[in-house]
Amino acid sequence: AQKVTQAQTEISVVEKEDVTLDCVYETRDTTYYLFWYKQPPSGELVFLIRRNSFDEQNEISGRYSWNFQKSTSSFNFTITASQVVDSAVYFCALSEVTGNQFYFGTGTSLTVIP
Amino acid sequence: EAGVTQSPTHLIKTRGQQATLRCSPISGHTSVYWYQQALGLGLQFLLWYDEGEERNRGNFPPRFSGRQFPNYSSELNVNALELEDSALYLCASSLGQGAFSYEQYFGPGTRLTVT
Repeated sequence: AQKVTQAQTEISVVEKEDVTLDCVYETRDTTYYLFWYKQPPSGELVFLIRRNSFDEQNEISGRYSWNFQKSTSSFNFTITASQVVDSAVYFCALSEVTGNQFYFGTGTSLTVIP
Repeated sequence: EAGVTQSPTHLIKTRGQQATLRCSPISGHTSVYWYQQALGLGLQFLLWYDEGEERNRGNFPPRFSGRQFPNYSSELNVNALELEDSALYLCASSLGQGAFSYEQYFGPGTRLTVT
C-alpha cells in the first residue's frame, strides 16, 4: 500500500483561481513529519513546508496554506489566486521516526493557464 | 551558500555497464539521500548516508550501492545496468542529527539513460 497518496495526477486551473492539492498518508508512528516540495519545470525540487505530527495548526504563507488533519490522515495544500509561476509538480512526503524511511507521493502536476 | 551539486548532468550507458553518480551536500549537512525518479513513479527512496554510514536503503536490489566520504560527499554506483534503470537520480542533503525531522535540499539530478 502507498504510504503517501496524491490522488490528483494532473490539475489545470485558470490564473487567479484557488486550487487545493490533496495528500493522504499512512503511518503507525505517533511521531512523524510531513513535507511539501515543489518541482518546477527546471527540475530542482524546492522545499515548501514541514509539519510534525504533534502540531495540527494550519499554516499560511502568503498565497500558500496547509491544512493538516490527523483524523483523516491528510495534509492538503491550497494555493490562493494561482499564478502561472505556480505551474509545477508538487510532492507530498512523509518521514517516520521508526524505520528511518522517507516516502514521497507520486506528485500532482499543476498547470496554471494564463 | 552553494546548494547541493551533482555530477554528471547526463550519463549514457549501455546495458550491463556500471554507472557512478556523484553528489556534494550543502556545507554543514551530514546526511545525504539518493532517490530515483522514473517517469510516472514519483520519487523512490534509494539510500541514506549519515556520518559515513549507510543508515537505510529502499526497496532496490544490491546492485544499487554507494558510499559517503569523510567530507560528506557521496557516490551512487549502479552495477549491471538494466534498461529500467533509466531515470533521473536525485541527491538531497539535510542536517544529520534526527535527520528524519529535517527538510531535505535537492540537487538538480543526474539523468541516466541506459541503451
